[in-house]
Amino acid sequence: DAGVIQSPRHEVTEMGQEVTLRCKPISGHNSLFWYRQTMMRGLELLIYFNNNVPIDDSGMPEDRFSAKMPNASFSTLKIQPSEPRDSAVYFCASSDAGIVQETQYFGPGTRLLVL
Amino acid sequence: AQKVTQAQTEISVVEKEDVTLDCVYETRDTTYYLFWYKQPPSGELVFLIRRNSFDEQNEISGRYSWNFQKSTSSFNFTITASQVVDSAVYFCALSEDSNTGKLIFGQGTTLQVKP
Repeated sequence: DAGVIQSPRHEVTEMGQEVTLRCKPISGHNSLFWYRQTMMRGLELLIYFNNNVPIDDSGMPEDRFSAKMPNASFSTLKIQPSEPRDSAVYFCASSDAGIVQETQYFGPGTRLLVL
Repeated sequence: AQKVTQAQTEISVVEKEDVTLDCVYETRDTTYYLFWYKQPPSGELVFLIRRNSFDEQNEISGRYSWNFQKSTSSFNFTITASQVVDSAVYFCALSEDSNTGKLIFGQGTTLQVKP
């Protein structure tokens, strides 16, 4: 079975440019999560969706970040305008969450470098 | 507030040694879930185990074993007869039932297994 798919795997951009990261969750999973990993802050949750609806976006750093989930099989995380401090690895994860906290399965990550 | 502490930043062992990675957590919930993930040098996050707060039985999976002790709020991970392929960063994580979806990660322990 296919796991969580993320694209691109690597992205190098210049400050001020728009960046869009993409995620396809595991088929049948109803929850999707975006995380960011940096050396300074470790792994932190940015936002998560349940049944395509954003549930908690308290981790989104600022208005430059936005996330959408137009359907059950696709989500995007957009940064506009990007800044060097946004350089990090961005992970998408999905789970089959209901009443109980189920396991989150992670994609391979997108390594973003903003120059 | 929930918190996960992995006090060991880096551990270095020689192949075939046993090694234990410590994880201490804080939560006010009576229902919660604990996880371990492995992040090899390739960068992906690999799920290893999920435990709920009502199941204190130790678990063994091949060379891996986990010791969950609610009395000390610890969920330690032991690798027996370590191998070079075990070299990775290992993350302990917590999710509370009242905060479904939010995984709180420890800072990770980097394990280096030398041949």
